[in-house]
Amino acid sequence: EAGVAQSPRYKIIEKRQSVAFWCNPISGHATLYWYQQILGQGPKLLIQFQNNGVVDDSQLPKDRFSAERLKGVDSTLKIQPAKLEDSAVYLCASSPSRQSYEQYFGPGTRLTVT
Amino acid sequence: DAKTTQPPSMDCAEGRAANLPCNHSTISGNEYVYWYRQIHSQGPQYIIHGLKNNETNEMASLIITEDRKSSTLILPHATLRDTAVYYCIVRVAHGSSNTGKLIFGQGTTLQVKP
Repeated sequence: EAGVAQSPRYKIIEKRQSVAFWCNPISGHATLYWYQQILGQGPKLLIQFQNNGVVDDSQLPKDRFSAERLKGVDSTLKIQPAKLEDSAVYLCASSPSRQSYEQYFGPGTRLTVT
Repeated sequence: DAKTTQPPSMDCAEGRAANLPCNHSTISGNEYVYWYRQIHSQGPQYIIHGLKNNETNEMASLIITEDRKSSTLILPHATLRDTAVYYCIVRVAHGSSNTGKLIFGQGTTLQVKP
């Protein structure tokens, strides 16, 4: 079974530029999560989708971050404009449902904002 | 905020048991204890979870105290590949209408030494 796929794996941009990350969850998984992990900290949930609907985006900085999950399959996370403090690893995870006990994480995208 | 407290780091000799403690003194009756680990440059990986009984799977054992205020993750025969950050997480029962959110703390960095 293929795991959660993310691209790109690494991205370097200058502040005030925009960037987009892509995630393809495990086939059939209804729930998709985006996490932000700053160096030395645990992952922090940014947004959670159930199929193509948003369940929780309370921690998403909506003035600069946006995410969508068209057709309830893959998802994109966008930052526009980026700030230095957005430098982090962006992790995507999926699970069969939001009640599932296990979340499956992708390898992440490491973003550096200079 | 995370509802758990873990030591920031621990060492373990290869082949010996690694015992990772976690305090969760404010845990509620419907909250489970979950453990994930994150190997360097990878996404977190689910290890085990439990409510009040001790649990064992192919990766580890979870011992939860009778009052449920603390737990210990046991890796019975640690190998160099077990070197990782281990996260103890308290999560609302997955059979409820919860969102499935995982709130990560800073975890314990386990270093397995030859």
